[in-house]
Amino acid sequence: ETGVTQTPRHLVMGMTNKKSLKCEQHLGHNAMYWYKQSAKKPLELMFVYSLEERVENNSVPSRFSPECPNSSHLFLHLHTLQPEDSALYLCASSHIDRDLYGYTFGSGTRLTVV
Amino acid sequence: AQTVTQSQPEMSVQEAETVTLSCTYDTSESDYYLFWYKQPPSRQMILVIRQEAYKQQNATENRFSVNFQKAAKSFSLKISDSQLGDAAMYFCAYVITQGGSEKLVFGKGTKLTVNP
Repeated sequence: ETGVTQTPRHLVMGMTNKKSLKCEQHLGHNAMYWYKQSAKKPLELMFVYSLEERVENNSVPSRFSPECPNSSHLFLHLHTLQPEDSALYLCASSHIDRDLYGYTFGSGTRLTVV
Repeated sequence: AQTVTQSQPEMSVQEAETVTLSCTYDTSESDYYLFWYKQPPSRQMILVIRQEAYKQQNATENRFSVNFQKAAKSFSLKISDSQLGDAAMYFCAYVITQGGSEKLVFGKGTKLTVNP
């Protein structure tokens, strides 16, 4: 366990469902990230929260809605997804003011949209 | 566009041998950090090694070392004395700081197989 916990580990949902992915870190980090990992493609940065404010939204469809209630928790709310949204969703955290050791990642949520 | 290219989708190595994974990148930044991450079947991205672009000395971490060529924008990873546990996807990445936030840009990855 790296200190970044993601739940659930696996999720199967229909296109009309609403679900949420959760990410939690207790590393004292002040930035959190959502990445999408699809087969044969580089990891895609979806959202960045720095000091609990969203600072990046990489043209992600509105059916993905992030929420960062505090510096330790990050959510990704999902609704009316499409089959092509099936992927591994990775959460990461970092401390933007410290010497950069890179991000700390969670184990991801494997999402299947049916 | 800021990109990372890993030209080897798959590589294999015999146990105890040495393998080098290649990575090139394109950035207009002058100060940045470079990383190699490992993703085993457990899916967790694990930091293997990092390099600060302003340092000329190549980073080393036990059996892992890099060959950093800033002018060529090349950042290869050498794994010595390969072990079965090294089998994983390896991702090259760099991070830049923009507008108070960091962005970590990844390549597509190289799948490394270690043969006993």
